[in-house]
Amino acid sequence: EAGVVQSPRYKIIEKKQPVAFWCNPISGHNTLYWYLQNLGQGPELLIRYENEEAVDDSQLPKDRFSAERLKGVDSTLKIQPAELGDSAVYLCASSLQGASTDTQYFGPGTRLTVL
Amino acid sequence: AQSVTQLDSQVPVFEEAPVELRCNYSSSVSVYLFWYVQYPNQGLQLLLKYLSGSTLVKGINGFEAEFNKSQTSFHLRKPSVHISDTAEYFCAVSDKGGTALIFGKGTTLSVSS
Repeated sequence: EAGVVQSPRYKIIEKKQPVAFWCNPISGHNTLYWYLQNLGQGPELLIRYENEEAVDDSQLPKDRFSAERLKGVDSTLKIQPAELGDSAVYLCASSLQGASTDTQYFGPGTRLTVL
Repeated sequence: AQSVTQLDSQVPVFEEAPVELRCNYSSSVSVYLFWYVQYPNQGLQLLLKYLSGSTLVKGINGFEAEFNKSQTSFHLRKPSVHISDTAEYFCAVSDKGGTALIFGKGTTLSVSS
């Protein structure tokens, strides 16, 4: 069974440019998460989806970040415009039902460098 | 609010030596505890989790962890490490009412021969 797929794996852009990350969760997983991982830190939740509904986006900087999961399967996270401080790894994870006991399965991440 | 403290940022050990990676948490409610491992350029992979029951939890790759409620700790142990265990290890917590994992800052385990 395929794991969580993310693309691209690496992205280098100049500040003020837009960027988008794509995630395809494990088949059958209803819950999808986007995490931000800064260098030397643990992942921090940006947004959580139950099917196509964003049920927790309290940590998403909505002035420049947006996300969507239109058909309740794959998802896109966008930054517009990117700032130098957005350089980080963006991780996508999925779980079966989103219960706090569920195991979250992580993709390899997208490493963003903003110049 | 929940928080997780991983007491050691780096742990260097020799191959076949035992290792303990320390994790303390703070929460006012019952918690679920997790250890994840991240190999270079890979996503996080679950090692083990504590939900309830026996306080000693066994995971993959020979790792185990013990939940200690009185000390609010969930330390990860392995009796004999291999070079291939070199990775970043993250402790995380969630609670019954929550849905997000709260991660510690990670511990880098470096195993040398």
